[in-house]
Amino acid sequence: EPEVTQTPSHQVTQMGQEVILRCVPISNHLYFYWYRQILGQKVEFLVSFYNNEISEKSEIFDDQFSVERPDGSNFTLKIRSTKLEDSAMYFCASPSPGESNEKLFFGSGTQLSVL
Amino acid sequence: SQQGEEDPQALSIQEGENATMNCSYKTSINNLQWYRQNSGRGLVHLILIRSNEREKHSGRLRVTLDTSKKSSSLLITASRAADTASYFCATEASNYQLIWGAGTKLIIKP
Repeated sequence: EPEVTQTPSHQVTQMGQEVILRCVPISNHLYFYWYRQILGQKVEFLVSFYNNEISEKSEIFDDQFSVERPDGSNFTLKIRSTKLEDSAMYFCASPSPGESNEKLFFGSGTQLSVL
Repeated sequence: SQQGEEDPQALSIQEGENATMNCSYKTSINNLQWYRQNSGRGLVHLILIRSNEREKHSGRLRVTLDTSKKSSSLLITASRAADTASYFCATEASNYQLIWGAGTKLIIKP
């Protein structure tokens, strides 16, 4: 089965620090997504990325967030100045090559803890 | 904004029994999907049902969709201990964004 890889699996940071979460999505697909899940709460859409540009973003995805493809394969989510409420599990997802965009494959997530 | 809401929030059954989880949503959708999440792990896609479909099967999974009631159900037959996980419904309206429910925590007792 196609695999989406995320690193690190856990990240602990101090409030106000910058964090970069990394994802290696399934290759040869133009759509990528970031979701997050605060402990005990719903999974929430953050941003979709199509052909190297942000396609859609939610209200959560404010100016503190950014996404990039620094080298054409890796896909990063940056939080510039973390807040306590940014503590969550962050998931990267992409459709599989040959699949429609409907079925997403998720990475195992990065657990971000902001202290 | 639309929401998926699952019920029950938690379900505990004996191995071998069937497990039924329900999901309701508020607005029109293109499709509804069910995902599974083992504790602290990623989300695994289980099954997708489109708005023009009423029922779909995949192995021991059976999903129904009633667009008039804006609801769906996921049935897991002959449950196994390994089915213990949280199950989420997610609806897609447009632009491939998924709107998620809060999930049902399923515990299968051996």
